[in-house]
Amino acid sequence: KNEVEQSPQNLTAQEGEFITINCSYSVGISALHWLQQHPGGGIVSLFMLSSGKKKHGRLIATINIQEKHSSLHITASHPRDSAVYICAVNSGAGSYQLTFGKGTKLSVIP
Amino acid sequence: DADVTQTPRNRITKTGKRIMLECSQTKGHDRMYWYRQDPGLGLQLIYYSFDVKDINKGEISDGYSVSRQAQAKFSLSLESAIPNQTALYFCATSPPGGSYQPQHFGDGTRLSIL
Repeated sequence: KNEVEQSPQNLTAQEGEFITINCSYSVGISALHWLQQHPGGGIVSLFMLSSGKKKHGRLIATINIQEKHSSLHITASHPRDSAVYICAVNSGAGSYQLTFGKGTKLSVIP
Repeated sequence: DADVTQTPRNRITKTGKRIMLECSQTKGHDRMYWYRQDPGLGLQLIYYSFDVKDINKGEISDGYSVSRQAQAKFSLSLESAIPNQTALYFCATSPPGGSYQPQHFGDGTRLSIL
């Protein structure tokens, strides 16, 4: 089974700061997902990537397949970005099952 | 209206009771999943279904059962609830396409078993 580790577990930032959340995994994958869990509990898919980099608004996700590592960056952070960010991976071609990290809790202070 | 709807949103019940959590979706996806989330742990897969006639156990299926009543409906049952099944439960859906499709989650059901 793939092991997914996220760091840091908790992160507090001032509004406007650049934020980086890291995810590493232990075995080869076919895709990596970044999810956002709102304080009320709902989960939203932010990115799915298998190589390179993706950008959506102030969010950027990168992946390095050789190093088995991905990062989620938030530029110009805002209090509404406060949430738990979860990394998840699909292991193996055609694999539909996700292995989830424990999440990174982000708090952005005005 | 939400694409993936879970009912109830919150439930408190007693040990030994039978409980059903329901999930319905309007996305037209074939694949549906049930997960549980415990504080400090990642989501864990309970059961998944690729169509009405295809149901499979996930990594933590003991103590749970499911029913896929239609393409749009997937229910999770706890036959005899126990306190360590207290958790946040999520239903999710995805279209066919293996790992290259994102999953779409409901808002969760917070279940407390006393």
